[in-house]
Amino acid sequence: GENVEQHPSTLSVQEGDSAVIKCTYSDSASNYFPWYKQELGKRPQLIIDIRSNVGEKKDQRIAVTLNKTAKHFSLHITETQPEDSAVYFCAASMRGGADGLTFGKGTHLIIQP
Amino acid sequence: DAEITQSPRHKITETGRQVTLACHQTWNHNNMFWYRQDLGHGLRLIHYSYGVQDTNKGEVSDGYSVSRSNTEDLPLTLESAASSQTSVYFCASSESPVHEQYFGPGTRLTVT
Repeated sequence: GENVEQHPSTLSVQEGDSAVIKCTYSDSASNYFPWYKQELGKRPQLIIDIRSNVGEKKDQRIAVTLNKTAKHFSLHITETQPEDSAVYFCAASMRGGADGLTFGKGTHLIIQP
Repeated sequence: DAEITQSPRHKITETGRQVTLACHQTWNHNNMFWYRQDLGHGLRLIHYSYGVQDTNKGEVSDGYSVSRSNTEDLPLTLESAASSQTSVYFCASSESPVHEQYFGPGTRLTVT
């Protein structure tokens, strides 16, 4: 089955700086790559996703890039703010997510004031 | 407003007991999922369903079962609870494979 590796497990950045979280996946058939943000004690919430026919997607301060050849994808957050502090999860799936998602183990992003 | 709910939000049970966690969504979504979340493991898929009368095993399905008798509900049953099943359980639903999965608020289960 699919295996998703996520790095780093903890990332501390100064407010206003950029943060990058990286994930690799094992199954070349995966075609859907969402990113979820989870605040302490809350449910995961989708912040951005990308499908395999697209190399990059951007939504305001958040962007995701996908390299299908290398089987890795990354989340980029620019101009970080205190409210960006949370745990971020990447995930991968075949069939667009219909068979469920395989998640990475998460990155705890800490924004230092 | 349409939503996805889980009950109970917290439960403590004893080893060997049968436990059922409820998941209810009012979006009329066909696809529903159960995940468990443990420190150091992220979220792992337990079972999923494409629609009524359809259920499928996920990565960590041993010791769990689900049934789908209507569109709105996908209850998760632990046949004989074990301490290894202490976890936070999230239900999710999506309209279709091309739409995002929405997660419920979670159920924290402790097996003593």
